[in-house]
Amino acid sequence: ELKVEQNPLFLSMQEGKNYTIYCNYSTTSDRLYWYRQDPGKSLESLFVLLSNGAVKQEGRLMASLDTKARLSTLHITAAVHDLSATYFCAVPPAGTASKLTFGTGTRLQVTL
Amino acid sequence: NAGVTQTPKFRVLKTGQSMTLLCAQDMNHEYMYWYRQDPGMGLRLIHYSVGEGTTAKGEVPDGYNVSRLKKQNFLLGLESAAPSQTSVYFCASSKYYNEQFFGPGTRLTVL
Repeated sequence: ELKVEQNPLFLSMQEGKNYTIYCNYSTTSDRLYWYRQDPGKSLESLFVLLSNGAVKQEGRLMASLDTKARLSTLHITAAVHDLSATYFCAVPPAGTASKLTFGTGTRLQVTL
Repeated sequence: NAGVTQTPKFRVLKTGQSMTLLCAQDMNHEYMYWYRQDPGMGLRLIHYSVGEGTTAKGEVPDGYNVSRLKKQNFLLGLESAAPSQTSVYFCASSKYYNEQFFGPGTRLTVL
């Protein structure tokens, strides 16, 4: 059974600081997705990582994937308040993308 | 394009009542999904469909049924609602193995 763990579950950080969110998964997979969810809202796709060593960047967020270590990271550079949200990683079993298993999410709070 | 839409946005049911949640997408996606989201947990897959007329069970299918009679629509039914089904329900769609796009959600309370 595929399990996806994120840490930390809650992160409070000051504006301007850097931090990394980790996503570990338990069985082989060849891709990984990151989503953002604002309170009371739907999920918004952030990154699609399709291969080992993939790195994607958008603004102050950068995501990477290491399929051998079964690990993805979401790095936040010089955080701003607008990044406050819950971030989810999601992983499909190898060979399929139709059954995503989501992590429990990391709630990020950026304070002034 | 409206993307993925869900009807209704909110609903309150009494235990034992039935209801159907409707999901519609206008992106011509092959795959559609129903998830539930509970506090402190990520999304859990209830049922999914890889094409018109096909459905399959996800991680938590008990107590739910689905139908996909048209490519653009995916219905989720609760035959006899229970308080444990109080949750926020999200529908999503994707083009084969690509990223999933989510609807706005339906907040369901079962008393």
